Amino acid sequence: GQNIDQPTEMTATEGAIVQINCTYQTSGFNGLFWYQQHAGEAPTFLSYNVLDGLEEKGRFSSFLSRSKGYSYLLLKELQMKDSASYLCAVRDLPRGYQKVTFGTGTKLQVIP
Amino acid sequence: SAVISQKPSRDICQRGTSLTIQCQVDSQVTMMFWYRQQPGQSLTLIATANQGSEATYESGFVIDKFPISRPNLTFSTLTVSNMSPEDSSIYLCSVWWEATDTQYFGPGTRLTVL
Repeated sequence: GQNIDQPTEMTATEGAIVQINCTYQTSGFNGLFWYQQHAGEAPTFLSYNVLDGLEEKGRFSSFLSRSKGYSYLLLKELQMKDSASYLCAVRDLPRGYQKVTFGTGTKLQVIP
Repeated sequence: SAVISQKPSRDICQRGTSLTIQCQVDSQVTMMFWYRQQPGQSLTLIATANQGSEATYESGFVIDKFPISRPNLTFSTLTVSNMSPEDSSIYLCSVWWEATDTQYFGPGTRLTVL
């Protein structure tokens, strides 16, 4: 089965840096996604990690350690518009077809 | 990237009726998925819909309740049958974009069952 854990809520200050952690225990692994979801909207893709290490994309970076079953999303220079839910999702290929399982999401509130 | 549209964007339905949700993609894609997102919760995969084969349903979801069609590589439908208030949720269509190994989501259909 799949078990993906993220903190439920976080609060951070505008201009600061925040790290959102995700741990997973899955029967298979073929990559980890991070998505951003604003209230009432569909999730939008942020990053995809397949190999260990840090992937940087502007103000957002994502890290993966496959041996530890651990990932984090790092948001720098926080802006008010970054207030959203951040979803960690693991890709698996059970029985030859693709499945992406989502964590419960972390609701981030950015305050002035 | 893929541009995905869904119809309807929202609907209010009576208990016991059925609703069919349409998903249209602007490019041909092999893999399409249907997710449900209940209020305040994360996404739950209902089924994977590949053209030319029956949909593959996840545990807790059955074809009689959620029949899916996938007539071609750009279109799919999900029907929510014999609805009850517990089916009130956002239903999201999603596709796998092989060129970039990325999954994209449609805007969702917000369903309320009275």
